[in-house]
Amino acid sequence: DIQMTQSPSFLSATVGDRVTINCKASQNINKYLNWYQQKLGEAPKRLIYNTNSLQTGIPSRFSGSGSGTDYTLTISSLQPEDVATYFCLQHNSGPWTFGGGTKLELK
Amino acid sequence: QVQLKESGPGLVQPSETLSLTCTVSGFSLTSYSVSWVRQPSGKGPEWMGRMWYDGDTAYNSALKSRLSISRDTSKNQVFLKMNSLQTDDTGTYYCTRETGRDWGQGVMVTVSS
Repeated sequence: DIQMTQSPSFLSATVGDRVTINCKASQNINKYLNWYQQKLGEAPKRLIYNTNSLQTGIPSRFSGSGSGTDYTLTISSLQPEDVATYFCLQHNSGPWTFGGGTKLELK
Repeated sequence: QVQLKESGPGLVQPSETLSLTCTVSGFSLTSYSVSWVRQPSGKGPEWMGRMWYDGDTAYNSALKSRLSISRDTSKNQVFLKMNSLQTDDTGTYYCTRETGRDWGQGVMVTVSS
């Protein structure tokens, strides 16, 4: 199975900051990488699919990039409503596998 | 409007079988796949398995010996059955369409005597 290593596991930032979260796959996943936001008590919400496609209705401050084994989610200007846990998911081959999550808080 | 909704018992005894139902609307099970994903409290999600649009299934190898996924297209429902439950099977269980595009609200399952 493909392992997904997500970093950092915890992030504290200020409103307006540029925030980046990374996921590294144990092998090439051919850009089949999604990013999710999960708020407390809610289901995950897909933000980005296939590395860099923005889900309809998601603010443009969210963006994704990467290739091969390395992928990044960027929030260009952090807003208070972005406080949440973020997960990556690879769906290239074999069982889907998720990153361990990044808990994002306001400083 | 696409919707998915999980239903099932909130409490299961150790060693017993979990049965969950995902009822969908706004799309056809013969056109889209549905997966089951579970999440222990405070931890990351784990993909369990998938019902493909053509009726084929795929399972997480770690759960395959205990897990069965089936469907009733006439009722727009996908079913999960997992046997020999243990306390570490406690968590929230979700169904999701395609590659995690749409999700149900989840159902909390506690395994305890």
